[in-house]
Amino acid sequence: ETGVTQSPTHLIKTRGQQVTLRCSSQSGHNTVSWYQQALGQGPQFIFQYYREEENGRGNFPPRFSGLQFPNYSSELNVNALELDDSALYLCASSLGGANTGELFFGEGSRLTVL
Amino acid sequence: GEDVEQSLFLSVREGDSSVINCTYTDSSSTYLYWYKQEPGAGLQLLTYIFSNMDMKQDQRLTVLLNKKDKHLSLRIADTQTGDSAIYFCAEGGSQGNLIFGKGTKLSVKP
Repeated sequence: ETGVTQSPTHLIKTRGQQVTLRCSSQSGHNTVSWYQQALGQGPQFIFQYYREEENGRGNFPPRFSGLQFPNYSSELNVNALELDDSALYLCASSLGGANTGELFFGEGSRLTVL
Repeated sequence: GEDVEQSLFLSVREGDSSVINCTYTDSSSTYLYWYKQEPGAGLQLLTYIFSNMDMKQDQRLTVLLNKKDKHLSLRIADTQTGDSAIYFCAEGGSQGNLIFGKGTKLSVKP
């Protein structure tokens, strides 16, 4: 039990639609990051938030956006969905990112785009 | 650039030791990580090692780090069928993110 919960667990959207995925971080963890895991691949870094500000971003277009709230919850929003956005989206919670030694993931939200 | 390489498959017999290897490129990573992913599930943090250590042991798990060769390994002693999963090696990136390999699928035969 990591204390990181994500919702929804599964969802299906069609091309061009928009989606919001949610994450509740472990209490006290001020850093949340989001990853995209395509089938058969390792997770790819989307972005990271620290104290409600984005402080790192991977190679993803601006239609991927996020928010972090003071209550340790966060959102990943994806606009204008494409077929290639079909993936498992993972949220990770930590005290300060990958340089802190403990970075815990939720179970993920599996998005299918038709 | 930042990159992590792992072999894709490993098959062992129950009771044997498993050794999963990984190479990475960023020597400035503070920590290196091993995660386990079972089918349809998220990532479970198995263990991590601080970059100035060369070994860490945690019950059946032993992590070896060769910083000179940028080589990380995970040894699982007395491998059980419940250890069958995909194992990911990860290094810390320049933005505080994790950079993952493609994962090693471990199959444990009874």
